[in-house]
Amino acid sequence: QVQLQESGPGLVKPSETLSITCTVSSASIRSVNAYWGWVRQVPGRGLEWIGSMHHRGDTQYNMSLRSRVTLSADTSKNQFSLEMISVTAADTAIYYCVRHTNYEVFDYWGQGTLVTVSS
Amino acid sequence: QSALTQPPSASGSLGQSITISCFGSSGAIDGHNFVSWYQQYPGKAPKLIIYAVNNRPSGVPDRFSGSKSGDTASLTVSGLLAEDEADYFCNAYAPTNNWIFGGGTRLTVL
Repeated sequence: QVQLQESGPGLVKPSETLSITCTVSSASIRSVNAYWGWVRQVPGRGLEWIGSMHHRGDTQYNMSLRSRVTLSADTSKNQFSLEMISVTAADTAIYYCVRHTNYEVFDYWGQGTLVTVSS
Repeated sequence: QSALTQPPSASGSLGQSITISCFGSSGAIDGHNFVSWYQQYPGKAPKLIIYAVNNRPSGVPDRFSGSKSGDTASLTVSGLLAEDEADYFCNAYAPTNNWIFGGGTRLTVL
């Protein structure tokens, strides 16, 4: 069973950078048909796709966030990461890492990590 | 800008069937089959229950089915069980926005 586990800071100050890492188990992020991505959810609200990347380099971002977001991967550790700069309170959310198979379906999700932006 | 619109709530009695709609504006649903549905319990991560309009992943009961007509996708839950009470989100590929989600529908089982 594919498992994804986020590790994040919990609390980030406004204007600073948010960084979260996702560790993948029972699957390789080098899989040819797998993209790896991020979805966030303001507690009690809807879901928002942030972006997805393939280990060979193709990376797609939500147009509304792309100026502040960078996705990267460390294949040696079977991990991928999200970096978001210049955060505000509006970025307070639960961040989920996901497997985005064939860039068509989000078929596996991490348990999510709550990131609060506050001074 | 494309968007997916779902009713905020739906309800049905045990054993009955319920259908949740997802309307896609600006071509978010019409013209392709990249439509998925996710089930989410409070405090838990979403779980994929339907992909490519009407396909179920392994392990998802056949009480769950999906369909699409024009700009609207639908999720039908047949033979409602108490455990079906959850939030349901549709998801589709919108050319202008990339991947977007509906606002979610809270299903109550009476």
